[in-house]
Amino acid sequence: GAVVSQHPSWVICKSGTSVKIECRSLDFQATTMFWYRQFPKQSLMLMATSNEGSKATYEQGVEKDKFLINHASLTLSTLTVTSAHPEDSSFYICSARTTYGSLQETQYFGPGTRLLVL
Amino acid sequence: DAKTTQPPSMDCAEGRAANLPCNHSTISGNEYVYWYRQIHSQGPQYIIHGLKNNETNEMASLIITEDRKSSTLILPHATLRDTAVYYCIVRPTTSGTYKYIFGTGTRLKVLA
Repeated sequence: GAVVSQHPSWVICKSGTSVKIECRSLDFQATTMFWYRQFPKQSLMLMATSNEGSKATYEQGVEKDKFLINHASLTLSTLTVTSAHPEDSSFYICSARTTYGSLQETQYFGPGTRLLVL
Repeated sequence: DAKTTQPPSMDCAEGRAANLPCNHSTISGNEYVYWYRQIHSQGPQYIIHGLKNNETNEMASLIITEDRKSSTLILPHATLRDTAVYYCIVRPTTSGTYKYIFGTGTRLKVLA
């Protein structure tokens, strides 16, 4: 149980285009999902908290107009990188928070999406 | 959120126990200790968590000191597949604050 998927697993795009990444909780409902970014040889950095049916909360320094987050259902959150540039190339990872059972409030992570902007 | 500190790297012989320490000296009474690991180019994998008592599951054991200022993750019989970066995270139990702040973690290398 507690499986989180991401799609696509990797994407290459041209500078200036937009890229959408999907995060799905496959076997549980998640009112809260999180988006992280990880550069090579660095730790995960939280970008934003995504709450179902409401606006996302962005961490300091993260441009909300560049990284659009939508959490339209209890099993799906999307991150759209708008007008991507080479410096946006990174490993994007989502997580979903469980809200029931003995592992309540635990975050389960997706496999990540590697974005390369040319 | 409480800050955690971990050694940057550790080696462990295959088949031996791997003991990974974490210091969280500023932890407060309502914060859980979580452990995750990240194998290269994958998302973090949940291992175990605890509040006050020691915990054990099929993957590992978690030992939390009585003053809760530090903890140790124990992999009882390390295998090559346990080579990964291990992260120790503290998270409040009160509602409304669910986010994790990742530190730099410990890079564990299991040697054949």
